[in-house]
Amino acid sequence: ELKVEQNPLFLSMQEGKNYTIYCNYSTTSDRLYWYRQDPGKSLESLFVLLSNGAVKQEGRLMASLDTKARLSTLHITAAVHDLSATYFCAVVDFGNEKLTFGTGTRLTIIP
Amino acid sequence: DSGVTQTPKHLITATGQRVTLRCSPRSGDLSVYWYQQSLDQGLQFLIQYYNGEERAKGNILERFSAQQFPDLHSELNLSSLELGDSALYFCASSVIGTSSEQYFGPGTRLTVT
Repeated sequence: ELKVEQNPLFLSMQEGKNYTIYCNYSTTSDRLYWYRQDPGKSLESLFVLLSNGAVKQEGRLMASLDTKARLSTLHITAAVHDLSATYFCAVVDFGNEKLTFGTGTRLTIIP
Repeated sequence: DSGVTQTPKHLITATGQRVTLRCSPRSGDLSVYWYQQSLDQGLQFLIQYYNGEERAKGNILERFSAQQFPDLHSELNLSSLELGDSALYFCASSVIGTSSEQYFGPGTRLTVT
């Protein structure tokens, strides 16, 4: 069974700093998603990563995928308060198309 | 606004009852996904439909069932409800399958009393 681990679970950062959220998964996959969720809201798709070495950037967020290491990272550059949210990664199981989510990282940006 | 609509927004019902949640995907999207989010279980994938056919099944209980209709809207039926079924239920849609971006609806908050 595919397992997805995210760390850290909680992250409190100062504005202007850089940090990385990690997403490890246990079995072969070449499809990984990153989502953002604001409190009481639905999920917003941030990135879809479809191949080894894929890198995507949007504003202060950059996501990458290393399928050999079974690792994806979400890097935050020069954090601003608006980035405060919970971030989830989700991995598609190569064999059965089933999507498994990580536990989420609650990010708080402190002024 | 993602273009995915879900009704109702809130639902309060008693244990043992049955409810139906409805989802309309974005125009042109063929895949519909259902997810459950609770404090205990986190975010869980329940089931995926593609153009009316079941494509993938996740941690969906036998008391739950879903279907996608010819007009591509989908319904999630929850029966013999238990307190533990209280959760947020999200629907998402995508153009094709899991290689394309998923767009989430606003969710239905189900409370079982």
